[in-house]
Amino acid sequence: QKEVEQNSGPLSVPEGAIASLNCTYSDRGSQSFFWYRQYSGKSPELIMSIYSNGDKEDGRFTAQLNKASQYVSLLIRDSQPSDSATYLCDRGESGGGADGLTFGKGTHLIIQP
Amino acid sequence: DAGVTQSPTHLIKTRGQHVTLRCSPISGHKSVSWYQQVLGQGPQFIFQYYEKEERGRGNFPDRFSARQFPNYSSELNVNALLLGDSALYLCASSPRGGVSNQPQHFGDGTRLSIL
Repeated sequence: QKEVEQNSGPLSVPEGAIASLNCTYSDRGSQSFFWYRQYSGKSPELIMSIYSNGDKEDGRFTAQLNKASQYVSLLIRDSQPSDSATYLCDRGESGGGADGLTFGKGTHLIIQP
Repeated sequence: DAGVTQSPTHLIKTRGQHVTLRCSPISGHKSVSWYQQVLGQGPQFIFQYYEKEERGRGNFPDRFSARQFPNYSSELNVNALLLGDSALYLCASSPRGGVSNQPQHFGDGTRLSIL
């Protein structure tokens, strides 16, 4: 199975600290990775895409990809209460048809004021 | 540009009834995927359609069916509704349908409640 694993949490982080969210995947053919943020009762919204090994920064967000170790992470610096949400990791398609097993179950992040 | 639009936003049905959910993708997107999301869980894949062909199907019973139209919009049909079908149904579109590394864009979802 080409699964994506995330710690469901909740992950509790003090306001202003760095929140670190992790995701592992089993399909070595995966080439693209996406992080979505989902507020309660809302639909997922894309916050980061990463395609190459290393770090990609966008404002307070940094995505890190290590294809050899098959993990991708999301760092949120200077965490704000508005960052409290569920974060979904999506490994994208690796070709050969849609198997649908691209999303993790999500990590529930709570930023404590 | 308009995003992914879904209708209706909310729906209340009773057990045994049938429901049709609709989705219009972002202009230029040819791939539409449907997900079911139960409270506290990640999205569960139901179907993906690309160029009007089914490209993938998740682990859902035959009561669930879908189709994609020539304008790339899509319908999800669920027959013989059960209480367990109560969920948020998400539609996502993307340019991808082959080996394409584009993210998905989600609609606001349809909240289905079964009484």
